[in-house]
Amino acid sequence: AQTVTQSQPEMSVQEAETVTLSCTYDTSESNYYLFWYKQPPSRQMILVIRQEAYKQQNATENRFSVNFQKAAKSFSLKISDSQLGDTAMYFCAFMNLQGGSEKLVFGKGTKLTVNP
Amino acid sequence: GAGVSQSPSNKVTEKGKDVELRCDPISGHTALYWYRQRLGQGLEFLIYFQGNSAPDKSGLPSDRFSAERTGESVSTLTIQRTQQEDSAVYLCASSSYKNTGELFFGEGSRLTVL
Repeated sequence: AQTVTQSQPEMSVQEAETVTLSCTYDTSESNYYLFWYKQPPSRQMILVIRQEAYKQQNATENRFSVNFQKAAKSFSLKISDSQLGDTAMYFCAFMNLQGGSEKLVFGKGTKLTVNP
Repeated sequence: GAGVSQSPSNKVTEKGKDVELRCDPISGHTALYWYRQRLGQGLEFLIYFQGNSAPDKSGLPSDRFSAERTGESVSTLTIQRTQQEDSAVYLCASSSYKNTGELFFGEGSRLTVL
């Protein structure tokens, strides 16, 4: 079974600074997706960024980028120029594309606070 | 509708009662997921529906939990004989094959079992 581990329960960062959230995962599969989802205090989850395992290039979405290290099974999220609206729970997630069921497995989350 | 709709948004029930939670996915989305989120915790997978295929029920914690979905429409999650440990937010999400992996979440149903 796949597992996703986020070792930082809480983090904080000053507005305009850069912060990196860590995620590791465990799988024996080779074809999968990795994601970072954001859950603001209003609680509706939204997708931040997605990485296909077969792509070597790290995904980037505006101020959000990932450092995908496939051999190390590591998938960290970097937030540049942090904004107050980035305050949220961030969840790393894994989806196996083999074996039939495309369920999404989530880590326990990192609570990020951006301070003014 | 424009987004995933869940009802009720809040439900308070007494231990031992049955509850039904409803999810109305985005129109045309073939996949539907149910997750449980206890206070301050991550998302715990419950069940996954994909079109008319047999659902993946591997996350249902006990036989008190069941879910149904007819085709690509509304889904109902039923919890029988509720226990206090069932208190949580139950999140529903849907997705389309055209955008694999991007789940669109509802706002959740907060269940409190007294």
